[in-house]
Amino acid sequence: ETGVTQSPTHLIKTRGQQVTLRCSSQSGHNTVSWYQQALGQGPQFIFQYYREEENGRGNFPPRFSGLQFPNYSSELNVNALELDDSALYLCASSWRGHTRPSEQFFGPGTRLTVL
Amino acid sequence: AQKITQTQPGMFVQEKEAVTLDCTYDTSDQSYGLFWYKQPSSGEMIFLIYQGSYDEQNATEGRYSLNFQKARKSANLVISASQLGDSAMYFCAMRPYNQAGTALIFGKGTTLSVSS
Repeated sequence: ETGVTQSPTHLIKTRGQQVTLRCSSQSGHNTVSWYQQALGQGPQFIFQYYREEENGRGNFPPRFSGLQFPNYSSELNVNALELDDSALYLCASSWRGHTRPSEQFFGPGTRLTVL
Repeated sequence: AQKITQTQPGMFVQEKEAVTLDCTYDTSDQSYGLFWYKQPSSGEMIFLIYQGSYDEQNATEGRYSLNFQKARKSANLVISASQLGDSAMYFCAMRPYNQAGTALIFGKGTTLSVSS
């Protein structure tokens, strides 16, 4: 069973640039969620994708957008980067279909630094 | 509004001792799940244990147990026989049942340091 993978592991960008982060979900999972974790904080929910559509969103502006592909992998795009976007970005996959909230399995994260 | 509160920024324990990490939650939902995750310095979030709001027995997974007190809205994690490898950040999280598009709500975490 292949776990959740993310790329790249580290990234350095400058203010105003755009960035794309990638995530491959765990085998058999159909839902991908993205989280932003600032230094010293808990992860904050950005959005979730299910069947290639955005299925829920946290308190993040529209310049945070995403995609989910037929193989359930996903991308997170951030436009017009700001200094406060510097964080660890975590992708989590899960299976929707159970009556209870299934465990979300996390990838190793992408650490984004905005200069 | 749903919220997770972890009041211990840091905890220190010696090897082989037991430690309790506190977590309280606030929700108006009747059905929800409570989770604990471990985050080592490498950054990956590792799932440890799950408790459903309707589960009558406290969850256990090896050295981890969850002390669930529904009336007090608390879900403390107990780690028995601490090991050096348990040194990490620990997060309590919650998610309601059957709500499409919802995700985990995390607390701010507790840093656990285990010494020899």
